[in-house]
Amino acid sequence: GENVEQHPSTLSVQEGDSAVIKCTYSDSASNYFPWYKQELGKRPQLIIDIRSNVGEKKDQRIAVTLNKTAKHFSLHITETQPEDSAVYFCAASMGNTDKLIFGTGTRLQVFP
Amino acid sequence: NAGVTQTPKFQVLKTGQSMTLQCAQDMNHEYMSWYRQDPGMGLRLIHYSVGAGITDQGEVPNGYNVSRSTTEDFPLRLLSAAPSQTSVYFCASRTTGRGNTEAFFGQGTRLTVV
Repeated sequence: GENVEQHPSTLSVQEGDSAVIKCTYSDSASNYFPWYKQELGKRPQLIIDIRSNVGEKKDQRIAVTLNKTAKHFSLHITETQPEDSAVYFCAASMGNTDKLIFGTGTRLQVFP
Repeated sequence: NAGVTQTPKFQVLKTGQSMTLQCAQDMNHEYMSWYRQDPGMGLRLIHYSVGAGITDQGEVPNGYNVSRSTTEDFPLRLLSAAPSQTSVYFCASRTTGRGNTEAFFGQGTRLTVV
């Protein structure tokens, strides 16, 4: 079936270190891969996205990579700061229907 | 431009009661969807719609009904609430197809079924 797996479920890093979150998807027709950040008690908000015709995209300290062959995509956060602490979700748009399926989330804690 | 508006923000229901969660968007998005968020389980898709008059099931549709009579509105109905439906519900909308873009979320509805 259509699913998105996300690892790890929790991640603790020291301020200034890098954090990497990985996702895999099942539908080879998926063509859009967003990442969302959700702070406690708030709604999820987009931080970066990538389309299937691009292998990598960067926005300041955040980057996303996509390996279509392996059906993997990853979020990279460099020089982490305490305000990066939140739950991060990956998602994939299913090609035939455009429905957006989310991973189970990663709780990132950045310690000062 | 209000984005995606969900009501109510909080709700307590008794087992067996029915209710409708409201969702409206003013961005002329074709695609609208409902998710539930439970600890450790991420955002699970309940139902979605790609346009007025078109709806389809997501990952966890049982116990929920939807309709899409206009582009702007996408209500979610619980016909007979059960404790297992205690969750935080999010409505989201986006454009699709070649203009595949981010999903905008409402502020969420925290539902407790007792």
